Amino acid sequence: GENVEQHPSTLSVQEGDSAVIKCTYSDSASNYFPWYKQELGKRPQLIIDIRSNVGEKKDQRIAVTLNKTAKHFSLHITETQPEDSAVYFCAASNGNQFYFGTGTSLTVIP
Amino acid sequence: DGGITQSPKYLFRKEGQNVTLSCEQNLNHDAMYWYRQDPGQGLRLIYYSQIVNDFQKGDIAEGYSVSREKKESFPLTVTSAQKNPTAFYLCAARDGWNYGYTFGSGTRLTVV
Repeated sequence: GENVEQHPSTLSVQEGDSAVIKCTYSDSASNYFPWYKQELGKRPQLIIDIRSNVGEKKDQRIAVTLNKTAKHFSLHITETQPEDSAVYFCAASNGNQFYFGTGTSLTVIP
Repeated sequence: DGGITQSPKYLFRKEGQNVTLSCEQNLNHDAMYWYRQDPGQGLRLIYYSQIVNDFQKGDIAEGYSVSREKKESFPLTVTSAQKNPTAFYLCAARDGWNYGYTFGSGTRLTVV
């Protein structure tokens, strides 16, 4: 089956700086890569996703890049704000089920 | 609750008891999923169902059971065979046409 690895497990940045979270996957059949944000005690919420036919996608301060050859994808958050503090999960899907990374706890220091 | 309702929010189980977690959706999504979340381990799949009256085991199905008698409902039973059930349980539904998951707000189960 699919194996998704996510790094780093914790990340602290100063407000206004950028944050980057990286994930690798093992199954070349995976074709959909969502990112979820989970605030403390709340449900994960989809923040951005990318499909395998696209190399990069941007939505305001958030962007995701995908390198199919190397089987890795990354989440980039620019101009970080305290409300960006949360746990972020990447996932990979081959259309049947999702395989999640172990999460990155992001802290934005005011 | 964004179309998926999980209840209860908090649940306490005594040793040797079975407990059932409820998950109801009004999104008309075919596929539903149960995940377990433990600190540092991300989300692990327990069971999933792609259509009514059919479900499949995920990576950690031992000690759990499910049913899917209605499209809207996918209850999870944590049996006494599950030796370490204390965790946060998340239910999700997915629209088969656009891949996205919608999660419920979760149930925190504690063994006392």
